[in-house]
Amino acid sequence: KAGVTQTPRYLIKTRGQQVTLSCSPISGHRSVSWYQQTPGQGLQFLFEYFSETQRNKGNFPGRFSGRQFSNSRSEMNVSTLELGDSALYLCASSLTSGRPRGTQYFGPGTRLLVL
Amino acid sequence: AQTVTQSQPEMSVQEAETVTLSCTYDTSESDYYLFWYKQPPSRQMILVIRQEAYKQQNATENRFSVNFQKAAKSFSLKISDSQLGDAAMYFCAQYNNNDMRFGAGTRLTVKP
Repeated sequence: KAGVTQTPRYLIKTRGQQVTLSCSPISGHRSVSWYQQTPGQGLQFLFEYFSETQRNKGNFPGRFSGRQFSNSRSEMNVSTLELGDSALYLCASSLTSGRPRGTQYFGPGTRLLVL
Repeated sequence: AQTVTQSQPEMSVQEAETVTLSCTYDTSESDYYLFWYKQPPSRQMILVIRQEAYKQQNATENRFSVNFQKAAKSFSLKISDSQLGDAAMYFCAQYNNNDMRFGAGTRLTVKP
């Protein structure tokens, strides 16, 4: 079974631009979560989608948004990029959301550099 | 808000020896999930072990085991017979109420 895939793997943008990252979960998984990983802040939860509905959102500004499609693929968008948005963005999928909590399987991440 | 604390930024262990990584958490919930994830250099994060809070028995996965102390809100990871491939960042994480929180991580070095 194919794992979680994320595209693109690397991205360079300039301040003020917007970016869209894509995540394809493991087949059959309906939950997709997004995380931001930086050396300073560590791993921070962005949001989780389950069956096209946002289940929870982390403490990030409204510039960060996401959505999930009927095939469970998910996208996250960051508008008006800032230097501090440079990070590794990880996507994770699982069978379930809430309780019982299914194991999350992570993708390789998208490394975003904002210049 | 729940928090997860890993007090050891770095640890090292001799190959074939045993090492324990510490993790404490803070939550007002009684039903939650705890995880240890491993992130090798430039590689994907993978699940090492998981523990459901309502289960008192400590989880074990081959050479990896946890010491889950619910009252103390402690969730340490023991790696037995350490191997070179165990070298990685290890993250402790807690999940409840649709919210997943990670600790800052412990970088484990394995010396041959």
